[in-house]
Amino acid sequence: EVQLVESGGGLVQPGSSLKLSCVASGFTFSSYNMHWIRQAPKKGLEWIALIYYDSSNKYYADSVKGRFTISRDNSKNTLYLEMNSLRSEDTAMYYCARGGYKEADYWGQGVMVTVSS
Amino acid sequence: DIQVTQSPSSLLASLGERVTITCQTSQSISNNLNWYQQKPGQAPMLLIYYATSLQTGMPSRFSGQYSGRSFTLTITSLEPEDIANYFCLQHYSALTFGSGTKLEIK
Repeated sequence: EVQLVESGGGLVQPGSSLKLSCVASGFTFSSYNMHWIRQAPKKGLEWIALIYYDSSNKYYADSVKGRFTISRDNSKNTLYLEMNSLRSEDTAMYYCARGGYKEADYWGQGVMVTVSS
Repeated sequence: DIQVTQSPSSLLASLGERVTITCQTSQSISNNLNWYQQKPGQAPMLLIYYATSLQTGMPSRFSGQYSGRSFTLTITSLEPEDIANYFCLQHYSALTFGSGTKLEIK
């Protein structure tokens, strides 16, 4: 069974940093591209980052480019999102999702990040 | 960026009723659109991929169609467990999402 479990969220102050993790199981993690997607309260879903299966390519939404970094450790079946210079508008539920042929076919349950003073 | 317009934003329907949700894209994306179901506190679940293909394990009362830039998700006969939020995702160019449809029982 495919499972994606996010962790690392919490309440942080504006300007601070946070690193999210997504542990994958039930599939060959190293064979799949992976996404981070977020949903702000009462707002729609927003794709924020993609990393290829071998980390050879990384792509970001303009809203997070230069502040967020996506990475992965295939030996640990883990995807990461390092978030710097956090703003109130980054407050959201953050999801990891598996890429590949069907794109975003499996999602984690999400982890909440709240940026507030 | 490709915009995705989803309607309606909410829907009241009776058990056994046929339900249709629509997504319209701002440009042609071929069939590169997925449909998802999300229940409160749960991860989104893929229902339909590439516009018309039913994900393994999903009930056959769910189906997808498309014509040009218009995509529809149909539930042929609404069941109580179908109460959820539904959204679409285009993956032709980057990923952009519909705004969601909250489906409730009348």
